[in-house]
Amino acid sequence: GAVVSQHPSRVICKSGTSVKIECRSLDFQATTMFWYRQFPKQSLMLMATSNEGSKATYEQGVEKDKFLINHASLTLSTLTVTSAHPEDSSFYICSARDLTSGAFWGQETQYFGPGTRLLVL
Amino acid sequence: AQTVTQSQPEMSVQEAETVTLSCTYDTSENNYYLFWYKQPPSRQMILVIRQEAYKQQNATENRFSVNFQKAAKSFSLKISDSQLGDTAMYFCAFMNTNYGGSQGNLIFGKGTKLSVKP
Repeated sequence: GAVVSQHPSRVICKSGTSVKIECRSLDFQATTMFWYRQFPKQSLMLMATSNEGSKATYEQGVEKDKFLINHASLTLSTLTVTSAHPEDSSFYICSARDLTSGAFWGQETQYFGPGTRLLVL
Repeated sequence: AQTVTQSQPEMSVQEAETVTLSCTYDTSENNYYLFWYKQPPSRQMILVIRQEAYKQQNATENRFSVNFQKAAKSFSLKISDSQLGDTAMYFCAFMNTNYGGSQGNLIFGKGTKLSVKP
């Protein structure tokens, strides 16, 4: 199946600094990527939808100036947590939408990266 | 708005036995996808099985099968011959999609923690 990578896998930073997380689709082109946040023992919460070449769409309650998303190419999306605070500590997961051509509906599947554990001290 | 409900926070099963995880959803759409994802302790999300709403036939992937009841908006996952490696969180997910394209984001249930006991 398709592979999505994330870098770094874990990061520790000081409060007030910025952290960039990369999400790459390694063997397919992803016009759409998604960023999720997962707190311990909870489900995944969609933060934003990232479309190649356009501005990201943020979910209600997610600060777009704090969580900057850039999707500059069909294989790379980045999430930058600006002026990080301890409450931003979480597990961040990206996914990429693989929409193959052919059938009316295509073979719609999302593939997930391995996640990034962010700890803000 | 679509919602996904998993009513079983935790379940356990003996190795080699069969277990069924429940999922219900709410939507007014007619065309959509349903998924089961597995999240082991590594936290990597792994696609287990997918179902297109327009297909009446239940999806099957080796030991994993679903019981899709569109009218009842139910989408349960059956794991046969359970293995120790099946121990994980299982998330049911809904994706609304229609011709002409949509954002295609997934809406997740809260998850069921499955423990397979030797």
